[in-house]
Amino acid sequence: QKEVEQNSGPLSVPEGAIASLNCTYSDRGSQSFFWYRQYSGKSPELIMSIYSNGDKEDGRFTAQLNKASQYVSLLIRDSQPSDSATYLCAVNVNNFNKFYFGSGTKLNVKP
Amino acid sequence: DVKVTQSSRYLVKRTGEKVFLECVQDMDHENMFWYRQDPGLGLRLIYFSYDVKMKEKGDIPEGYSVSREKKERFSLILESASTNQTSMYLCASNTGTYYGYTFGSGTRLTVV
Repeated sequence: QKEVEQNSGPLSVPEGAIASLNCTYSDRGSQSFFWYRQYSGKSPELIMSIYSNGDKEDGRFTAQLNKASQYVSLLIRDSQPSDSATYLCAVNVNNFNKFYFGSGTKLNVKP
Repeated sequence: DVKVTQSSRYLVKRTGEKVFLECVQDMDHENMFWYRQDPGLGLRLIYFSYDVKMKEKGDIPEGYSVSREKKERFSLILESASTNQTSMYLCASNTGTYYGYTFGSGTRLTVV
C-alpha cells in the first residue's frame, strides 16, 4: 500500500463547476497536509495547507481533512480553464519534517 | 520574492559520468530536500538535510550522494550516471513540519 494515494484521473469538469480532488494516506501519525498544483513542465507550487480536522477555505479553494478516515480533499469552486493542472497531495511522515506525495490527479477544466 | 534556484533546467550526460546538480535557496531555510519525479511514480525523496553538513537518506538514495557545506546550498551528486537516473529532479526547502515546500524550477536530466 502506498503512503499517499490519489486517483490519477483525468478528472474533467466544465468551467464554473466544482472540482473535487481526493487523497488518502496510511500514516495515522501524520499531522500536516498540503495540496500543490503542478502545471505541465513546471515544478509544484503550494496552494493549501491544513492541519486540523474540518474545512479550511482560501478564495476558491477549500481543503477538507478527516483524520479518523485518513482522508484529505481539495474543492475548487467556480473552476476555470487556468485550473487545469495536476494536483498533488503531500502528507508528513511519522511526525517528521519529511513528506510523501501522491502521484497526483490531473484536472481538466473545459471551457 | 523567495526563491529556490536550480543551476540547470536541462542536462544531458553520458552513462558513467559524475553529475552535480546544484540548488540554492535565499530564504534562510534549515531544511532542504531532493526529489525525483517520474511519470506514474510521483515524487520520491532521495536525500534531505536539516542543517549544514547534515544529511539523511530518503527512500531512494542508491546511486546518489549529497553535500551541504553552506546553509543555502544543497548539492545532489550522481556518482556514476546510469540511464535509469533519467528523470526530473526537484529541489525544495522549508522551515518546519507545518510549512510547505518551496520548490526550485527543476532539472530535467537525460542520461544517454
